[in-house]
Amino acid sequence: GDSVTQMEGPVTLSEEACLTINCTYTATGYPSLFWYVQYPGEGLQLLLKATKADDKGSNKGFEATYRKETTSFHLEKGSVQVSDSAVYFCALTGPTGNQFYFGTGTSLTVIP
Amino acid sequence: DGGITQSPKYLFRKEGQNVTLSCEQNLNHDAMYWYRQDPGQGLRLIYYSQIVNDFQKGDIAEGYSVSREKKESFPLTVTSAQKNPTAFYLCASSPLGPVPGYTFGSGTRLTVV
Repeated sequence: GDSVTQMEGPVTLSEEACLTINCTYTATGYPSLFWYVQYPGEGLQLLLKATKADDKGSNKGFEATYRKETTSFHLEKGSVQVSDSAVYFCALTGPTGNQFYFGTGTSLTVIP
Repeated sequence: DGGITQSPKYLFRKEGQNVTLSCEQNLNHDAMYWYRQDPGQGLRLIYYSQIVNDFQKGDIAEGYSVSREKKESFPLTVTSAQKNPTAFYLCASSPLGPVPGYTFGSGTRLTVV
């Protein structure tokens, strides 16, 4: 079945460091791919998405490119801030588009 | 502003009691979902509904029940049959279609005491 595997955390970085959180997927057909962010005690918020191969999603300085050949959707940011500290979830939708499959989440802590 | 509201934010339950978590949305979304979140396990789907008066079991439906009497509302009951109910519960909604956007509520943290 469809699934998402993402890099285990926790990840701790200094402010202004580069971030990469790896995400790979297994899916039938052509899923859409998403990154969600969860701040402490809150629900999940959509960070970015890509709906077809080679699409790049971007938001708030974060980027991820839908790579069909490597079945990956790695999250990147060139310079992290303390306010980026959160848990990040990679997700995909199945063929019907109505059920999400989430990764286990990667906790990021950015220290000043 | 449109959104999805979960209440209460914190809930305490004695063992052996049923408890109902509220989820309301004013986004006119057709589909609604309940997820359970445990540390290190990500999100697991409990139940989902794509239309009023119809719902489907997710991966971990045992010990839970839902209803969908109105499009806006999708309450979740955690029954006494749920062996380990302490968790963070998230409700979400989305329009139907090939690329839905999930909108999440802010969650309810349930603790069994």
